[in-house]
Amino acid sequence: TQLLEQSPQFLSIQEGENLTVYCNSSSVFSSLQWYRQEPGEGPVLLVTVVTGGEVKKLKRLTFQFGDARKDSSLHITAAQPGDTGLYLCAGAGNFGNEKLTFGTGTRLTIIP
Amino acid sequence: NAGVMQNPRHLVRRRGQEARLRCSPMKGHSHVYWYRQLPEEGLKFMVYLQKENIIDESGMPKERFSAEFPKEGPSILRIQQVVRGDSAAYFCASSPANGSPLHFGNGTRLTVT
Repeated sequence: TQLLEQSPQFLSIQEGENLTVYCNSSSVFSSLQWYRQEPGEGPVLLVTVVTGGEVKKLKRLTFQFGDARKDSSLHITAAQPGDTGLYLCAGAGNFGNEKLTFGTGTRLTIIP
Repeated sequence: NAGVMQNPRHLVRRRGQEARLRCSPMKGHSHVYWYRQLPEEGLKFMVYLQKENIIDESGMPKERFSAEFPKEGPSILRIQQVVRGDSAAYFCASSPANGSPLHFGNGTRLTVT
């Protein structure tokens, strides 16, 4: 069974600070996706990383896929209250996105 | 351009009743996926369907749960004889093809009393 562990589980920081969320597994994934989920809504895809060592930037968010394609990180620079939410990583197997393995989630709160 | 539509948003059932959850995929999407999210847990894959076909149901409990995606109409996740442990948020996602990004609906929150 593939498992994705996210850390920290909860994170509460002041507006303007930087933070990093980690997603780790002992399994290799063909790609890894990051989602953000607001209360009462479904997850919304932020980014997909495919190549080992790949780095993608989305404004103040930087996503990295580990060289061995087993882990990933999300770094947020100068966090804003709008960044508050549940961040989920999800790994895809060799046959596409039909059976994503989701991480346990990091609940982020940015304090104004 | 409507997204993935799920209904009802909230569903309350007594133990032993049946729950029917509906999902209309985005226009042009023929692949549908169902996931379950228990409180304080991540999403767990349940089933993957294409029109009139179940492709992968390895995440579905063997009993009481079934899913379909008919030629016409929404995909249905059916839970018979619900128990308290079935209480969760059930999310549907769709994509135009396998390997394409998933678009999730806002879920149906099932409460079994």
